[in-house]
Amino acid sequence: GEDVEQSLFLSVREGDSSVINCTYTDSSSTYLYWYKQEPGAGLQLLTYIFSNMDMKQDQRLTVLLNKKDKHLSLRIADTQTGDSAIYFCAEMDAGNMLTFGGGTRLMVKP
Amino acid sequence: EADIYQTPRYLVIGTGKKITLECSQTMGHDKMYWYQQDPGMELHLIHYSYGVNSTEKGDLSSESTVSRIRTEHFPLTLESARPSHTSQYLCAAGGNIQYFGAGTRLSVL
Repeated sequence: GEDVEQSLFLSVREGDSSVINCTYTDSSSTYLYWYKQEPGAGLQLLTYIFSNMDMKQDQRLTVLLNKKDKHLSLRIADTQTGDSAIYFCAEMDAGNMLTFGGGTRLMVKP
Repeated sequence: EADIYQTPRYLVIGTGKKITLECSQTMGHDKMYWYQQDPGMELHLIHYSYGVNSTEKGDLSSESTVSRIRTEHFPLTLESARPSHTSQYLCAAGGNIQYFGAGTRLSVL
């Protein structure tokens, strides 16, 4: 099956930028997503990008997609303590099925 | 968007009990999904539905069953709960965008 990989952990200082990286294997991905999960909660959709786009910016969030290398990144500018959470990368195949990465735990230090 | 409601949020139950986890949505999405989330965070698709009377098994084998009698509801049932079923169960709905409920955290003693 298809695979999505993320690093497990990222620690940054408040006010710095965070960059969370993701790689995937499905060459027929239609959409790619970033979800956020806070403790004890479900997944909150942060942003998504269509596979024919290179970049998408939404306030403090910037998504970069390198389709040739199958690499997706999420940059959070001016990271705040409230951004501490687990971030999941996911890709959607042609059948509308999502494959998730294992999640990256972001810790923001004051 | 879709509001996804899951009940109960937390459930502690003894081995051998039958349980049903409820999931409902308000926006009439045809597609609904159940995911199981391991303690180590990874999500796995266990069931999905493309509409009323449609149910399919996902990538991860599960002893649970689902039904889709109405568009709004997609309940998940375990006939005889075991400790190995202890996990978080997340329901989602939508097409190109999947929206998630808050989850049910199940503990089987």
